[in-house]
Amino acid sequence: DAKTTQPPSMDCAEGRAANLPCNHSTISGNEYVYWYRQIHSQGPQYIIHGLKNNETNEMASLIITEDRKSSTLILPHATLRDTAVYYCIVNPGTYKYIFGTGTRLKVLA
Amino acid sequence: NAGVTQTPKFQVLKTGQSMTLQCAQDMNHEYMSWYRQDPGMGLRLIHYSVGAGITDQGEVPNGYNVSRSTTEDFPLRLLSAAPSQTSVYFCASTSPGGTQYFGPGTRLLVL
Repeated sequence: DAKTTQPPSMDCAEGRAANLPCNHSTISGNEYVYWYRQIHSQGPQYIIHGLKNNETNEMASLIITEDRKSSTLILPHATLRDTAVYYCIVNPGTYKYIFGTGTRLKVLA
Repeated sequence: NAGVTQTPKFQVLKTGQSMTLQCAQDMNHEYMSWYRQDPGMGLRLIHYSVGAGITDQGEVPNGYNVSRSTTEDFPLRLLSAAPSQTSVYFCASTSPGGTQYFGPGTRLLVL
């Protein structure tokens, strides 16, 4: 599985967009990009995933660069409840997810 | 639809004791997995199963056993607990589309 690189921490003002970057320069053509988040010590929660095209759902948007070597998760209007650790994972659907240490996002009031 | 359930929520063991962490899912997913998460770290895969009767090792399988007799249940057994196994354990069930659904976790302390 491809490795991912994420900044260890980020701050975002409440109500502003949170843009969380992820580098996956060794991604293979059949690997999807998944994003999960973990609030406090709860089980990780699925946010969104994509292969090539940008994706949007009720929680977030995922922007994948044309060369697929990096992506950005966008929380359009961050709230205090979005404070969490965000994990970027690339996986070809083999279900053997490799979690890194993620980005700790702190939303500030 | 309860999703993924785990029991117990908390457990304290003495070194050398054995125990089983229970995991069940009601989504009829074939793929299930167990992770451990140490403080400040990401999740590490212990064991996984691609269906009833089929299991395989993940990154950190030593000291743990699993079995999968039904689609719904995937218990994790600690054979002889060690302090190094103090951790939070998460069970996950994966949909055919690749989305993982996690349980609430079991917090284990080995003294």
